[in-house]
Amino acid sequence: KAGVTQTPRYLIKTRGQQVTLSCSPISGHRSVSWYQQTPGQGLQFLFEYFSETQRNKGNFPGRFSGRQFSNSRSEMNVSTLELGDSALYLCASSLASGGRTEAFFGQGTRLTVV
Amino acid sequence: AQSVTQLGSHVSVSEGALVLLRCNYSSSVPPYLFWYVQYPNQGLQLLLKYTSAATLVKGINGFEAEFKKSETSFHLTKPSAHMSDAAEYFCAVSEPGTASKLTFGTGTRLQVTL
Repeated sequence: KAGVTQTPRYLIKTRGQQVTLSCSPISGHRSVSWYQQTPGQGLQFLFEYFSETQRNKGNFPGRFSGRQFSNSRSEMNVSTLELGDSALYLCASSLASGGRTEAFFGQGTRLTVV
Repeated sequence: AQSVTQLGSHVSVSEGALVLLRCNYSSSVPPYLFWYVQYPNQGLQLLLKYTSAATLVKGINGFEAEFKKSETSFHLTKPSAHMSDAAEYFCAVSEPGTASKLTFGTGTRLQVTL
């Protein structure tokens, strides 16, 4: 059974640009969550999508957005990149929403903003 | 609001010694609790979870944790450390009904020495 796949693994962007990250959940999983990991702030929840609907959102500016497609694949977009957006972005998939079912994480996308 | 405190950002143990990583939580409702491990440049792997069943939870790789409501704790233990246990460990909490949002602690880096 394939795990959570995130693409690309590494990305370098210039300040002011925008970026799109992709996440393919485990087959059959309908919930996809996104997290940002930085040395200073640790792991922070960005948002969760379930059946193409955003279920929950963390405290991030509107430059951070996401969506989920009918096949449960998800993308997150960051517009007008800032140096502080450099981070490891992790995607997690779960069978269902609600927290009881465990979240399986992908290997992450390492974004560097220069 | 839910939160997690991990005491000790770095813990060093000898190979074969007891591993004890501390986690205290705060939650307004009975929580779900998780321990994840992260190896360098990797995503998060679930070690074990507590979702209101047995208070002593056994996980993978010989790890276990005990949920103590009176102490609001969920400490992670392993009787005998192995070199391969060297990694960063994260405690996380979620509240039922808040979708799949995980709130993570700041992490504890475990070093295992010969």
